[in-house]
Amino acid sequence: AQTVTQSQPEMSVQEAETVTLSCTYDTSESNYYLFWYKQPPSRQMILVIRQEAYKQQNATENRFSVNFQKAAKSFSLKISDSQLGDTAMYFCAFLNSGGSNYKLTFGKGTLLTVNP
Amino acid sequence: GAGVSQSPSNKVTEKGKDVELRCDPISGHTALYWYRQSLGQGLEFLIYFQGNSAPDKSGLPSDRFSAERTGGSVSTLTIQRTQQEDSAVYLCATNYDRVIPEAFFGQGTRLTVV
Repeated sequence: AQTVTQSQPEMSVQEAETVTLSCTYDTSESNYYLFWYKQPPSRQMILVIRQEAYKQQNATENRFSVNFQKAAKSFSLKISDSQLGDTAMYFCAFLNSGGSNYKLTFGKGTLLTVNP
Repeated sequence: GAGVSQSPSNKVTEKGKDVELRCDPISGHTALYWYRQSLGQGLEFLIYFQGNSAPDKSGLPSDRFSAERTGGSVSTLTIQRTQQEDSAVYLCATNYDRVIPEAFFGQGTRLTVV
C-alpha cells in the first residue's frame, strides 16, 4: 500500500519570503501522479500543482514549484513570494496511474501561516 | 454540473439518529471518493467507487457506515446510529479515471452529532 508522509504539521513564513513544504511517499509502483492540494479556511480543496512520475522536469505553476526526487521518493512544494492568501492547510497526495490499486492517498497535511 | 456538489453543507443531528450525506459529481467523472476530516486533521479515506467495479470499502470505520452510488452518478453516504465521534467534515471528490487524474472536491458536509 502507498503511504504519504508530511513531517511538518505546522509552518510559518513572512509575507514575500519563500517556504518549502516537505512530502515523502512510499510505493513500489513506477508510474504515478503526485499532487499538492491547498485547503484554505473556506474548506474548499484546491489543486495547486501536479507532477507525473515519468517526467523528469519539475512542475511549476506561477509562484508554486516542486522538487521531485523520484529515487528518494520526495516531492516538496516551494512557494515563492508568499502572500497572505497562501495561508492554508497543504496536502500532498499520491495516485497510482497503473494497475488496479487506484486510490488517491493523502498525507496528514501541513498548516502554513503567512504572517504580514 | 460545473463542480462537485455536496448537500447539506451543515448537519446537526442527535446521537443515535441516522444521517444521509449526498454527493453530486462532475458529469462524466467515473471515480468518486469519500473522505472524513476531523477538526484540523488530515483526510481519512472512507470509500472509493470506480465505474461499475465493486467499491473499495476498506476505509469505512464501522458497519454503521455505508455508501451507494446510483447509476454511476450521485452518491449517498449513510451513517446509522450516529455517535459523537462521527462529528467531522465529510468530503466527496471525483475524477475522470486516469484521463484526468486530479480529483475535484466538493465543499464538504460538516456533521455535528450532539
